[in-house]
This record gives sequence, structure tokens and C-alpha cells, in this order.
Amino acid sequence: DAMVIQNPRYQVTQFGKPVTLSCSQTLNHNVMYWYQQKSSQAPKLLFHYYDKDFNNEADTPDNFQSRRPNTSFCFLDIRSPGLGDTAMYLCATSRSGTLRFVEQYFGPGTRLTVT
Amino acid sequence: AQKVTQAQTEISVVEKEDVTLDCVYETRDTTYYLFWYKQPPSGELVFLIRRNSFDEQNEISGRYSWNFQKSTSSFNFTITASQVVDSAVYFCALSVSGNTPLVFGKGTRLSVIA
Repeated sequence: DAMVIQNPRYQVTQFGKPVTLSCSQTLNHNVMYWYQQKSSQAPKLLFHYYDKDFNNEADTPDNFQSRRPNTSFCFLDIRSPGLGDTAMYLCATSRSGTLRFVEQYFGPGTRLTVT
Repeated sequence: AQKVTQAQTEISVVEKEDVTLDCVYETRDTTYYLFWYKQPPSGELVFLIRRNSFDEQNEISGRYSWNFQKSTSSFNFTITASQVVDSAVYFCALSVSGNTPLVFGKGTRLSVIA
């Protein structure tokens, strides 16, 4: 019954070593989001895809990139992780195209630690 | 711009007590959606409720109830007869359309002590 799946659940990487986090969904939702949540803080949106259209938040560092090869998968690439990128990364999906709002479904998150 | 304020950073209650989590929001849009999410220690955000701006009817779901007051821009969440399993961080969030990202409050950490 898993709907939004994130892999890995835990990731440790070294300072400056590129890392990729993955998200997949079985809901066939056309909107996918990536949020960063640091300890004891609220989730902060990094970017989202509306179908294939990429929407970057103004304050998202260039170090963060994303790919969406198809409807089901979305990747978060951190090109040169810094210690400050240690956080929980949450993927979410929603369905658009209807008048009735549909809530966002979140995955379990990936806890990234940069050492 | 939209903003969500959860003034209570942490709350501790004894099991079986009732507890209310406060949420105040700001938006100039007339159509908007309000949410509550629960984040247990495992980290996953669990959807609890959505309310749109045209529906001020309060809602009850088991031990959970929500009080939406447009006059005070508040969307408060009450847990009746709290249980240890209710211990989590609770986030209130706002969206101004069906597909815009959520704006979260800073969350309230609820600890229910047995």
C-alpha cells in the first residue's frame, strides 16, 4: 500500500561528496515536491515539478538540483553537500487539474547526515 | 505573502488530559486551504485534516476536533483524552490554491506523559 516511497531512509555522506536521494510514487500524481526539514524546524520547500515543469524556490541554493525522468520518479541531487545540508528531506505529491483540492501526500523522508 | 504562526513551541500534558494546539494564519487570498499534519518520531508527515476557506464548520474525528474561525484567522486543533501515542510534532499549514506548496508553521511538540 506504499504510496510515496523514499530511498534510502538514512544516508551518510562526506563533505563535498555528491549524493542523490530518490522518491517514487504509485499515486500517478502530476505534482511532486521536495522539502528540506532541519532539526526542530518546519519543512521548507526547495522546488517542485508540475508535470515536467520545474519550479525552483528563490532561496534554494544552486547546490541542489532535481530530476524527474517520468511521472513516478523524482530525484534530489546535492552536488557538493556541506555540513549545513544535514537534514530530513521530504518528498510529497499532489494531483492537479481538478477544481477540488487534493492534499499533499508525504513520503517517510530521508535523513541525510553530512560528515 | 502567507504566514502561519504556531505560538506554542512545546506542550506537555498528562495522559487523558485535553489539549489545544493553536494556529493563526495570514493571507490576503479569499480562497485558501488549511491543514494539520502530525509528525511522529519516525519523521513521516501524516495528514490529519484539510479545511477550505469557505467552510467554517467545525469538525470532529474521534478524539480530534478542529475549530476554524475566520474572524480571528485561527484554526485550532484539540485532542480530547490525550494518549501517549499522540506525542509528536504537529504542524499547521496553509496553501492558497490547489497546487501551491504548503506554508508551514514552526510546529508544536506535544508530549503526553503516562
